[in-house]
This record gives sequence, C-alpha cells and structure tokens, in this order.
Amino acid sequence: DQQVKQNSPSLSVQEGRISILNCDYTNSMFDYFLWYKKYPAEGPTFLISISSIKDKNEDGRFTVFLNKSAKHLSLHIVPSQPGDSAVYFCAATDSWGKLQFGAGTQVVVTP
Amino acid sequence: KAGVTQTPRYLIKTRGQQVTLSCSPISGHRSVSWYQQTPGQGLQFLFEYFSETQRNKGNFPGRFSGRQFSNSRSEMNVSTLELGDSALYLCASSLENNYGYTFGSGTRLTVV
Repeated sequence: DQQVKQNSPSLSVQEGRISILNCDYTNSMFDYFLWYKKYPAEGPTFLISISSIKDKNEDGRFTVFLNKSAKHLSLHIVPSQPGDSAVYFCAATDSWGKLQFGAGTQVVVTP
Repeated sequence: KAGVTQTPRYLIKTRGQQVTLSCSPISGHRSVSWYQQTPGQGLQFLFEYFSETQRNKGNFPGRFSGRQFSNSRSEMNVSTLELGDSALYLCASSLENNYGYTFGSGTRLTVV
C-alpha cells in the first residue's frame, strides 16, 4: 500500500525557471516530511524537510510547502540549475515508524 | 566524519543463491534501515534495526532478513535469490529516529 505518492515520474524545466514537484500522502499520522535528491550510482541525499506544525520551509533556492488538509506537499526550486537534474524523492514519517518514500520524480533541467 | 559505508558496491549472483550485504553506519548512529530501489517503485522499506533489535519491518517475504551487531553495523541477507531481487539496496543510518537519515551509496545486486 503506497502511502506516499509522486504522480509525476518526470519533469523537464528550463534553466532559470521554477521547478515544482508534487507529493501526496494518505496517512494522517505522518508528522514529518522530507525531500531527498538522488544522482545515479549514489545514495539519496537529504535536501529539505518540514514538520507538520508548519506550512512552509525555505532553504536557499528550495522551498517546501505543506497543505495538511489536502495531504499534499510540494517542493519548489527557484531558479532551476543544470546541477539540479536528478531524481527527487518525497518521504514521510511519524518519527518512530518507518520512513516511507514516493516513487520519485526525475527532473531534467535544460539549458 | 565517515559516512555510511555499504559493501560490496556491485554484486552478481545466480538464481537460487543467497547473498549478504553489509552496512557500516555513521559513528554514533544506532538506527540502521534498509531499502530496496527498483525502477518505478521508488524506495521500498525492508526493515529497521535499533540497538540490535528489529524495530520496524516492511512487506517483504521471509527470504529477506537482517541483523545488527553491537557496534551498530548491520547485515542484510537474501536467500534463494530470484530475478526480481535485482535492485539497488540502500542502507541509511540515524541517531535514533527517522528525522536525520544519511544514506550510503548502495549495493547494486544483479541476479542472473
């Protein structure tokens, strides 16, 4: 049962424009959400996170938005750069439970 | 400090064999989790160990097992390998809970 869903397997965006990645979850017990970035042949690296008590968290070019009522979160990357081309995974947890991941979104930033 | 180390990086096995993968967490991290990554499936949770005890388990068959040693190093074993077990197996460690995961580079297992 996939409790975290990323419905867009891929996203192509021009350099300098905004990338918006979406993620939906079904478990209302999740209280912490994370985004990971993964390059081929490497493990995922932590990007940004947000607690359920917040609706927005910003770190440089990366902003995560959380809409608890809709059980939806999104990651905005502004401006997009070629080095941002990677697979992005959304993850959610209730801290002591297992960290559950979405299927990932492949982002390609074109010149 | 050293990151999460997984060995071996690549492995080729034949159907029916068994395999053991190793994970050394970041020093001081007591929680180790294992994930399977296959194309289109994202990261599927296998199990999590904390202080040598399995704390959480995913929905994988009993052929998949693991353990954690007193120094927090963890091993994952897959018996009677099937072609569908071909995947990237990732290990992640954290101090105690799921908030501060650091992943290793993974072991790429190919079953032929």
